[in-house]
Amino acid sequence: ETGVTQTPRHLVMGMTNKKSLKCEQHLGHNAMYWYKQSAKKPLELMFVYNFKEQTENNSVPSRFSPECPNSSHLFLHLHTLQPEDSALYLCASSQDEVSTGNTIYFGEGSWLTVV
Amino acid sequence: DQQVKQNSPSLSVQEGRISILNCDYTNSMFDYFLWYKKYPAEGPTFLISISSIKDKNEDGRFTVFLNKSAKHLSLHIVPSQPGDSAVYFCAASERAGGTSYGKLTFGQGTILTVHP
Repeated sequence: ETGVTQTPRHLVMGMTNKKSLKCEQHLGHNAMYWYKQSAKKPLELMFVYNFKEQTENNSVPSRFSPECPNSSHLFLHLHTLQPEDSALYLCASSQDEVSTGNTIYFGEGSWLTVV
Repeated sequence: DQQVKQNSPSLSVQEGRISILNCDYTNSMFDYFLWYKKYPAEGPTFLISISSIKDKNEDGRFTVFLNKSAKHLSLHIVPSQPGDSAVYFCAASERAGGTSYGKLTFGQGTILTVHP
């Protein structure tokens, strides 16, 4: 139990579907992140939110749309994805975004398969 | 351009022996380094970290060593246990003034297998 909960853990969706990934953190952190892990690639940062404001969009295609209604919740809305978007999507949080010694804590991940 | 590199994709070690996982970096602005452990189908779990003002940090069986001049860090696990079998990622973040201050850059990971 890391204090960061992701749902669903597994998702299969068609290319024309709209779905959302949900993340909730119980650590009292102010920064939340979406990372993507594809096979045989390093973890890729997608989005960063600090105090509910998006501070980073790492050149992510618009078919991925994040939403952060408050510091404890983060969503990733998915629309018209491609099969190559199939990956493990990891939510993470940290005390805040900009600090030395910023340790990030990850959720269990959501396995996404696009068919 | 891969700023954090783990050049060994895998490592196999006998139970009870030492496991040494290596990580090299190129960005001189990095000043905080972390190791994460990841089991299949789970998210990475934070293991241990080290600030650039230190050259060693120890936590139980895990010790991280930092050689700033060589831009190299290593994770030592002694003694290794079968439950340590997982993928290990090193990560680094920049100090203030860097373009990616506070954000983590990850290596590709090393698969550790500890045999009974």
